[in-house]
Amino acid sequence: ETGVTQSPTHLIKTRGQQVTLRCSSQSGHNTVSWYQQALGQGPQFIFQYYREEENGRGNFPPRFSGLQFPNYSSELNVNALELDDSALYLCASSPGANQGNEQFFGPGTRLTVL
Amino acid sequence: GNSVTQMEGPVTLSEEAFLTINCTYTATGYPSLFWYVQYPGEGLQLLLKATKADDKGSNKGFEATYRKETTSFHLEKGSVQVSDSAVYFCALSELMNTGFQKLVFGTGTRLLVSP
Repeated sequence: ETGVTQSPTHLIKTRGQQVTLRCSSQSGHNTVSWYQQALGQGPQFIFQYYREEENGRGNFPPRFSGLQFPNYSSELNVNALELDDSALYLCASSPGANQGNEQFFGPGTRLTVL
Repeated sequence: GNSVTQMEGPVTLSEEAFLTINCTYTATGYPSLFWYVQYPGEGLQLLLKATKADDKGSNKGFEATYRKETTSFHLEKGSVQVSDSAVYFCALSELMNTGFQKLVFGTGTRLLVSP
């Protein structure tokens, strides 16, 4: 069984640019959540996708957007990058979005904005 | 909103010492509670979970009990190993108004175990 994978592993961008991060969910999982983990902090919820629709959103501006595809893989897009967007971006998949369902995390994409 | 508070680290222990990492939470309702571990350069791995009051989650020698009366979920291990060195995150599940859950994390506690 293949776990959650993310690409790329590392990324360096400059302020104002746009970035797309990718996530492949674990086999059989239809729900994908994205989290931002700033250095020395806990992960913060960005949004969640369930069967290709956004399911819920955290306190992030609209320049953070996403997609989920029919195979349940997902993308996180960030426009107009700011220095504070530098962080580890984690994707997590789960077999459903109900209470108590374990979320399985990928290794993350480390984004550096210069 | 819901929140999780963890003890600040780093926690520095010698091998075979007893470990406690404190975690308290503020939540409406009865969330599920989790401990995740993050090894250097890696993503998060679920260590254990508890879904209702008085449940005890356990895995790899780690334990935590869901205490509703003290709103706590402290992580314990009787004898730590060097390989346990990592950052530990306490988290709770929060039900969104969509009916689905998201995870709310604490800031993490770094554990350093020396031989």
